[in-house]
Amino acid sequence: EPEVTQTPSHQVTQMGQEVILRCVPISNHLYFYWYRQILGQKVEFLVSFYNNEISEKSEIFDDQFSVERPDGSNFTLKIRSTKLEDSAMYFCASSKGNTGELFFGEGSRLTVL
Amino acid sequence: ELKVEQNPLFLSMQEGKNYTIYCNYSTTSDRLYWYRQDPGKSLESLFVLLSNGAVKQEGRLMASLDTKARLSTLHITAAVHDLSATYFCAVDMAGTGNQFYFGTGTSLTVIP
Repeated sequence: EPEVTQTPSHQVTQMGQEVILRCVPISNHLYFYWYRQILGQKVEFLVSFYNNEISEKSEIFDDQFSVERPDGSNFTLKIRSTKLEDSAMYFCASSKGNTGELFFGEGSRLTVL
Repeated sequence: ELKVEQNPLFLSMQEGKNYTIYCNYSTTSDRLYWYRQDPGKSLESLFVLLSNGAVKQEGRLMASLDTKARLSTLHITAAVHDLSATYFCAVDMAGTGNQFYFGTGTSLTVIP
């Protein structure tokens, strides 16, 4: 069964460092998303991406964040200069259309020291 | 901002018992989703409810949606230990595409 895959599963970084989280969405899906979940809290929307551009973003997704689809399969989230409060599980998701079910990846746990 | 509230936040129940988890949301939407999350794992889609009055069942779980009341329920019938997990509802606010607003989650523990 097709699935969303994410790498790395866990990354530890020093405050101020750049981090890139990678995702391979389901191959026939057109819409891509990043969500995050701080430990023990609810899942929060970061950004949605369609047709090589951002379609929606939340207040969390500030100038330190960027997304890119560098080729036909990968979808990346970059955090330019990590802060302690960026520590969270980051989930990539994809969907066929812009309404309907999202399919989530296993997540990338980011720990900022 | 759309608010999505679940109750209870924590639920401990014995095997074989029935219980209902409630999901209330603050603005108009006719699309609601239920997800399951095991500790340290991803979000597994359980139900997609796309209209008022929608009811879906899978095994011991049944979900319903009342858009007029802005309420969805997840009913658990004859709970078993394997249902222990955190359950999230998520609402897709009209006009925002798939910008899901997740509820606070309900941590369910089924005791043998």
